[in-house]
Amino acid sequence: SYELTQPPSVSVSPGQTARITCSGDALPKQYAYWYQQKPGQAPVLVIYKDSERPSGIPERFSGSSSGTTVTLTISGVQAEDEADYYCQSADSSGTYLWVFGGGTKLTVL
Amino acid sequence: EVQLVESGGGLVQPGGSLRLSCAASGFTFSSYWMSWVRQAPGKGLEWVANIKQDGSEKYYVDSVKGRFTISRDNAKNSLYLQMNSLRAEDTAVYYCARPVLLGASGYFDYWGQGTLVTVSS
Repeated sequence: SYELTQPPSVSVSPGQTARITCSGDALPKQYAYWYQQKPGQAPVLVIYKDSERPSGIPERFSGSSSGTTVTLTISGVQAEDEADYYCQSADSSGTYLWVFGGGTKLTVL
Repeated sequence: EVQLVESGGGLVQPGGSLRLSCAASGFTFSSYWMSWVRQAPGKGLEWVANIKQDGSEKYYVDSVKGRFTISRDNAKNSLYLQMNSLRAEDTAVYYCARPVLLGASGYFDYWGQGTLVTVSS
């Protein structure tokens, strides 16, 4: 089955830039999406179509894609950004089978 | 305002069955694909199933194929997940989510608050 690979954890100090990667063989062919999840809450979409930001999401959140890796970048990290982040995409078969990455815990030091 | 409200979770013994429901409001339910996503305690998100607007197409993650059935009733604005032959590893919070499709891919723009299913003897 298709998998997306994320680092388990990333740590940054406030004001610095956090980069969270997600790797998968189908990412050159399929869009990636990113979600933020805080404890006890449902996930919130922060990036769609690799790099588009939904309304209401701060400009410090951005996304990029290069080959089989997509990256979520959070510039000027704030304490409130501490959360779990998940990438999500589809396999390359075109059969509506979707997958999440394992998640990355962002710690703001 | 879009709302998705799950119900039906609880404690069930291994091998047992449970039916989850999701009541949708605030949008034209019959115009959207719908999905279930789960999250085991302390673990990551796992996509479970998708269903097309008219119920004619359904897709499942391999681990639930043959045991879970996604369905919908557009007249009642409701989504369901029938779960049979439950295993301990099915223990999770189950979220109802509304996907926005982009080709065969898509993302979730609205989520319910989830309902907890615990499989244990």
